[in-house]
Amino acid sequence: GAGVSQSPRYKVAKRGQDVALRCDPISGHVSLFWYQQALGQGPEFLTYFQNEAQLDKSGLPSDRFFAERPEGSVSTLKIQRTQQEDSAVYLCASSLDLVEDTQYFGPGTRLTVL
Amino acid sequence: AQKITQTQPGMFVQEKEAVTLDCTYDTSDQSYGLFWYKQPSSGEMIFLIYQGSYDEQNATEGRYSLNFQKARKSANLVISASQLGDSAMYFCAMREGPGGSNYKLTFGKGTLLTVNP
Repeated sequence: GAGVSQSPRYKVAKRGQDVALRCDPISGHVSLFWYQQALGQGPEFLTYFQNEAQLDKSGLPSDRFFAERPEGSVSTLKIQRTQQEDSAVYLCASSLDLVEDTQYFGPGTRLTVL
Repeated sequence: AQKITQTQPGMFVQEKEAVTLDCTYDTSDQSYGLFWYKQPSSGEMIFLIYQGSYDEQNATEGRYSLNFQKARKSANLVISASQLGDSAMYFCAMREGPGGSNYKLTFGKGTLLTVNP
């Protein structure tokens, strides 16, 4: 079956621009996660959705970061007024539910802020 | 203190040989889960293997096995019969608390494995 897909795969933004990153989870997966991976590091948790409810956004680094999943499937991570320190790979993952909690990741979006 | 420690920034192995990638973890929870992921240069994180803290037997998935030593808080990944396609970054990750209670994965910094022909 289809895995997690993300778009765009690469995004170059000028400092101060807004960007939107899209994630399509595996069909039927209730849980959706966003992680940020800086160069040479492991991924770090940003936020978590269960269906359309955002249950944890404790990892979002600033109020410029906003995520939504309005219909409980596709999710969008938006970054307003991008800064150079936002440059990273943004990974989306989904899991069937919390009990069957293996998270399956998408290919990521590599964001470069100039 | 780091919750997941991978002490080997890079490892080299000859094709067809076995290799062990180290991972130690730190948690005060009795129930937790340990995961290994592979990240090739394409960027996707590929799930390899899972070990629950209460699992009595070491997890195995094909050529991958997890050497789980609970008292030492280590969860090393063993890859048998290495293939050229195994060249990638490998991440160890932990979910603290029982499944259903916590969902964040905490990752180590990774080990870059290079398989030589």
